Amino acid sequence: AQSVTQLGSHVSVSEGALVLLRCNYSSSVPPYLFWYVQYPNQGLQLLLKYTSAATLVKGINGFEAEFKKSETSFHLTKPSAHMSDAAEYFCAVSDPATSNTGKLIFGQGTTLQVKP
Amino acid sequence: DADVTQTPRNRITKTGKRIMLECSQTKGHDRMYWYRQDPGLGLRLIYYSFDVKDINKGEISDGYSVSRQAQAKFSLSLESAIPNQTALYFCATSDFVGEAFFGQGTRLTVV
Repeated sequence: AQSVTQLGSHVSVSEGALVLLRCNYSSSVPPYLFWYVQYPNQGLQLLLKYTSAATLVKGINGFEAEFKKSETSFHLTKPSAHMSDAAEYFCAVSDPATSNTGKLIFGQGTTLQVKP
Repeated sequence: DADVTQTPRNRITKTGKRIMLECSQTKGHDRMYWYRQDPGLGLRLIYYSFDVKDINKGEISDGYSVSRQAQAKFSLSLESAIPNQTALYFCATSDFVGEAFFGQGTRLTVV
């Protein structure tokens, strides 16, 4: 069965510093991969997605992620953190073997804190 | 208007009571989902539906039921609420790839 692991439930960075949120998946077949962001008291919003095209994916708000099949990873990065980036971030996968269901399997989430 | 609308946004109910959470979407997608969010566990799938005649259990369906009244409407019911069903519930709709659109969530507290 598919699983997703996000390393670090809390990440703290200073404003202007690099943001790196880690995500690893387990699958013998490259899945579709997603990063979602959840701001306080809101639903989840798609940041970016990988669906077997370019391995480096650019998303909204300056975020990007790189799909590395050899490492089964899809880490999220942003060169310079902004205070407004403080939120909870979720990595998710959908399995191409059952991809027509659109079911997502989520990681545990990582809370990003941005310090002034 | 939001793509996915959930009602109510907040609800406090007593143990043993029946409660229904409602969801409607304007994306025109056939696929709809109910997820539950708990701290440290991410989101877990309760039920999903491909159309009004196709409803499927997710990983944590025990204690829940759903109804797909129309392509745009998908409701979640707790027949007899218990305290460990206290959580944040999300409705979502998606295309076949899995790019999902989420509602704002319903914060349910069972006392």
